Amino acid sequence: AQSVSQHNHHVILSEAASLELGCNYSYGGTVNLFWYVQYPGQHLQLLLKYFSGDPLVKGIKGFEAEFIKSKFSFNLRKPSVQWSDTAEYFCAVLNNAGNMLTFGGGTRLMVKP
Amino acid sequence: DTEVTQTPKHLVMGMTNKKSLKCEQHMGHRAMYWYKQKAKKPPELMFVYSYEKLSINESVPSRFSPECPNSSLLNLHLHALQPEDSALYLCASTWVGTGELFFGEGSRLTVL
Repeated sequence: AQSVSQHNHHVILSEAASLELGCNYSYGGTVNLFWYVQYPGQHLQLLLKYFSGDPLVKGIKGFEAEFIKSKFSFNLRKPSVQWSDTAEYFCAVLNNAGNMLTFGGGTRLMVKP
Repeated sequence: DTEVTQTPKHLVMGMTNKKSLKCEQHMGHRAMYWYKQKAKKPPELMFVYSYEKLSINESVPSRFSPECPNSSLLNLHLHALQPEDSALYLCASTWVGTGELFFGEGSRLTVL
């Protein structure tokens, strides 16, 4: 069964620092990958997704992620974080049937002003 | 309308109570989901409905009973819950096969 793992559980950065959150998937077939964000007290929102094509995917709010098949990775990046990026970030993978999304353990990001 | 609306936002119930959580969307999505999220944990899938039919049940105890009366509504009926069932219950919807889930804000359930 498909799964994703996020190795960074907590990340603390200062504003303007660069961000990279790790996500590794373990599934040998076609992979469809997502990053979701959950701001404090708010619902989960889609940041970006990868289905096929250009492995560098750009999302909302200046986030991007790169699908690297050889490394089974889909890391999330942002060149310069803001205090408002403080949130929990979840990587997720879609099953082949396209009806089941499985989340990684999440990374809690705190950006200090 | 790009919202998934969940009611109630907060629910406190005793272990002998019967209550229901409701979810509604008007985006034309034909796949709807219930997830359970404990504090500081990722959402865990409970049920998936595709075209109003239950397609996935992730071995959820029978004290949780889902219902999809029509393509816009999803209910979760609760009966004889345990304190460990206290969590945030998230509803989500999507077009079948896309995986881009739209989530509601959740119903925070406390079982006493």
